[in-house]
Amino acid sequence: EVQLVESGGGLVQPGGSLRLSCAASGFTFSSYWMHWVRQAPGKGLVWVSRINSDGSSTSYADSVKGRFTISRDNAKNTLYLQMNSLRAEDTAVYYCASAVAGTHEFQHWGQGTLVTVSS
Amino acid sequence: SYVLTQPPSVSVAPGKTARITCGGNNIGSKSVHWYQQKPGQAPVLVIYYDSDRPSGIPERFSGSNSGNTATLTISRVEAGDEADYYCQVWDSSSDPSYVFGTGTKVTVL
Repeated sequence: EVQLVESGGGLVQPGGSLRLSCAASGFTFSSYWMHWVRQAPGKGLVWVSRINSDGSSTSYADSVKGRFTISRDNAKNTLYLQMNSLRAEDTAVYYCASAVAGTHEFQHWGQGTLVTVSS
Repeated sequence: SYVLTQPPSVSVAPGKTARITCGGNNIGSKSVHWYQQKPGQAPVLVIYYDSDRPSGIPERFSGSNSGNTATLTISRVEAGDEADYYCQVWDSSSDPSYVFGTGTKVTVL
């Protein structure tokens, strides 16, 4: 059974940093592209970032470019999102999602972790 | 950036058919994926590549895509289908390249 389990969310002050993790199991993690998607309270889904199978290629939404860094450790079956210079508008549930390499639909999703940016 | 527009809400009686539209410029030339999100839960892929169903998704869920509109159809609607539904495309010329629709709340009367 495919499982994606996010962790690392919490309350952080504006300008602060947080690192999210997503532990994967039940599939060959190193063969899949991985994404982060976020959802502000009561709002819709917004794509944040993508990393390819071996970590050599990444892409970001303009809203987080230069502040967020996506990475992965295939030996540990874990995806990361380093978030710096956090703003109030980054407050959201952050989901990790998997995609078959080279495809563009989000096949499986984690349960999400809440990030709240507030003083 | 590429924009996908969905109706905010759709209401349907049990046993009837719900149709959720997703409008975008020449969306028929793109592959459309659909997600179901129940309150407090993560999204679930219900249709990919316009009309394919992942394993475990009932045949009552179907999709089509042509021109400027993609449509998710839920036949013989059940109470358990009440959820938010989002369409999504990948557009290599857009930034961001992964785009979600605005979302539609399906209410089962």
